[in-house]
Amino acid sequence: SSELTQDPAVSVALGQTVRITCQGDSLRSYYASWYQQKPGQAPVLVIYGKNNRPSGIPDRFSGSSSGNTASLTITGAQAEDEADYYCNSRDSSGNHLSVVFGGGTKLTVL
Amino acid sequence: EVQLVESGGGLVQPGGSLRLSCAASGFTFSSYWMSWVRQAPGKGLEWVANIKQDGSEKYYVDSVKGRFTISRDNAKNSLYLQMNSLRAEDTAVYYCARGGWATHDYWGQGTLVTVSS
Repeated sequence: SSELTQDPAVSVALGQTVRITCQGDSLRSYYASWYQQKPGQAPVLVIYGKNNRPSGIPDRFSGSSSGNTASLTITGAQAEDEADYYCNSRDSSGNHLSVVFGGGTKLTVL
Repeated sequence: EVQLVESGGGLVQPGGSLRLSCAASGFTFSSYWMSWVRQAPGKGLEWVANIKQDGSEKYYVDSVKGRFTISRDNAKNSLYLQMNSLRAEDTAVYYCARGGWATHDYWGQGTLVTVSS
């Protein structure tokens, strides 16, 4: 199966903009989704599809994609955005249908 | 309000079995693909399996094929994961999630499975 690669850690100053990236071959065929996970909590979907936010997700979260790279951008990061972020996508490599997650990015808001 | 509540986790010896359950409410369960996703302690998320609305299609991550079976009972609004031949590396929090592929829009709080002698 394919893999999705994320930077292990990223930091951003309070109120600044940060981009978290996710790379993988499956992203050439499928959109990524993005999840936020805070310690001891279940993941929360923040972006899906081309650039869709579920109800209740602030509009400072946005998504984009180009080639084999998907990006999650937080414009004006807040202290409460400090969390682990995971991307995932559908994968159909080798005619085997599955879902693949990235390894996660720990976001620190300074 | 959509709710997913997992149960059935616990401590099991290597080679043993467990059956996880996920009780769904607040939505038309029979209209959605459903998935199991796990997270080993201190590690990232790993998709385990998914199942189509009517149970006619099921897919698994390679590491659990032949050992785990996903199933559902739409009359009971419930999702299951039968886990056999458990290994230490199966130790994780197991989440039930709505959605079959990339978009898992609701998650349960998870149930911890510990495989240890």
